[in-house]
Amino acid sequence: SQTIHQWPATLVQPVGSPLSLECTVEGTSNPNLYWYRQAAGRGLQLLFYSVGIGQISSEVPQNLSASRPQDRQFILSSKKLLLSDSGFYLCAWTLGLAGAYNEQFFGPGTRLTVL
Amino acid sequence: AQKVTQAQTEISVVEKEDVTLDCVYETRDTTYYLFWYKQPPSGELVFLIRRNSFDEQNEISGRYSWNFQKSTSSFNFTITASQVVDSAVYFCALSTSGTYKYIFGTGTRLKVLA
Repeated sequence: SQTIHQWPATLVQPVGSPLSLECTVEGTSNPNLYWYRQAAGRGLQLLFYSVGIGQISSEVPQNLSASRPQDRQFILSSKKLLLSDSGFYLCAWTLGLAGAYNEQFFGPGTRLTVL
Repeated sequence: AQKVTQAQTEISVVEKEDVTLDCVYETRDTTYYLFWYKQPPSGELVFLIRRNSFDEQNEISGRYSWNFQKSTSSFNFTITASQVVDSAVYFCALSTSGTYKYIFGTGTRLKVLA
């Protein structure tokens, strides 16, 4: 069966510090991968998605970046965190080789607080 | 442009009451997909149902049921005999053919009181 992991689960970082969040999927190949951010009490904001290794589509032109160094690994990064980067970060995957036809499966999330 | 509207920000019901969560979508595509997810307090979104635009049959799964009506662009979710464990934020989402993106509504927080 497929599982999705995210770490760390919680993170407290000072403004201006770097960030690296990791997401890995097990039990499937060629997944489409997604990063979302959820501000407190708010909906989901799509940040990045990837349909293959090295292929990243950005939805948010801010100080965040994403990379997909391996088929089932998706990394969210920042060189300098802002206060507005605080939130709950969710990674998700869907079956690949198609568009957004299938349901997404979400990881447990990372709660980031920038102070 | 695609859009999903969940007008109910928060709903409170007493246990065993029935409750309906509304979802209205906008798209010009004829082929599209609708989803419902549950986000319990732990934070992880859990997939509940997927519907494609060619299947207007309503679906029932235990205490959960979904009413898809293309005429009103709605995909409403009803919980029968609600339980405290149903307390969560529920999201409706839309995707269309030819894209890899999902459009989420802002969610409805359901509180079921004992």
